[in-house]
Amino acid sequence: DAKTTQPNSMESNEEEPVHLPCNHSTISGTDYIHWYRQLPSQGPEYVIHGLTSNVNNRMASLAIAEDRKSSTLILHRATLRDAAVYYCILNNNAGNMLTFGGGTRLMVKP
Amino acid sequence: DAGITQSPRHKVTETGTPVTLRCHQTENHRYMYWYRQDPGHGLRLIHYSYGVKDTDKGEVSDGYSVSRSKTEDFLLTLESATSSQTSVYFCAIGDQETQYFGPGTRLLVL
Repeated sequence: DAKTTQPNSMESNEEEPVHLPCNHSTISGTDYIHWYRQLPSQGPEYVIHGLTSNVNNRMASLAIAEDRKSSTLILHRATLRDAAVYYCILNNNAGNMLTFGGGTRLMVKP
Repeated sequence: DAGITQSPRHKVTETGTPVTLRCHQTENHRYMYWYRQDPGHGLRLIHYSYGVKDTDKGEVSDGYSVSRSKTEDFLLTLESATSSQTSVYFCAIGDQETQYFGPGTRLLVL
C-alpha cells in the first residue's frame, strides 16, 4: 500500500489558517487522498477527500499537487475545537480498509 | 452522527474469558469495520464485512472473530481475551468512499 508522511505535530493560533501537509510520493493513479481527524476521546471523523482537483467543503479545503505526490489540508480559521490528530490516508475507494499512520497532532492556541 | 452505536462502551474482563462487542447501524451501509487503537498508534483494522455473512480479515485479525447475520449488526468476538487485547475498539460503517466511526469501546483485560 502506498504510504503517507506527515509531521508529528503542528501548532496554530486561534482564528488563523492552518496548512497541514502530507507527502505521498508512491501514490498510484487510482488512489484517492482522504483526510480524517480524531478529536480527543472520540472516533475518527471524515474531513474531505479528492483525486486530482482541489476540493472544498464546509470543514476544510484540500489542495492537491499537480503531480499528486503531496497534498495540503487547509483549515481556513482554526478554532480550539479543531485541536485533533489529522490523518492523511490513501484509498482506492473500493470499500476496503483505511490504513492509518501516525497523523499530525494539531494544537490550537487561544 | 451517522447512526452508529457500539455496546458496551466500557468493559473490564479477565484473561481467558470470552468477550463480544456489538456494532449497530441504522444507515443500511453495506460495509462495516472493526478497528483497534492502542496508545501512540493509529487505528488498525481487525476485520471487515462487505455484506451479510461476508467478512474478511484485516491487518490484526489473530485472536478475533466476527459475524454479520443482518445488515445492521456486526459483532466482534474475543474467544479467550488476553491482556494484549486491552485497547479501544472502534466500529465503522461506510460506502466505498467514506467511513463513519462509532464512539468506541474501551476494553480492559486483567
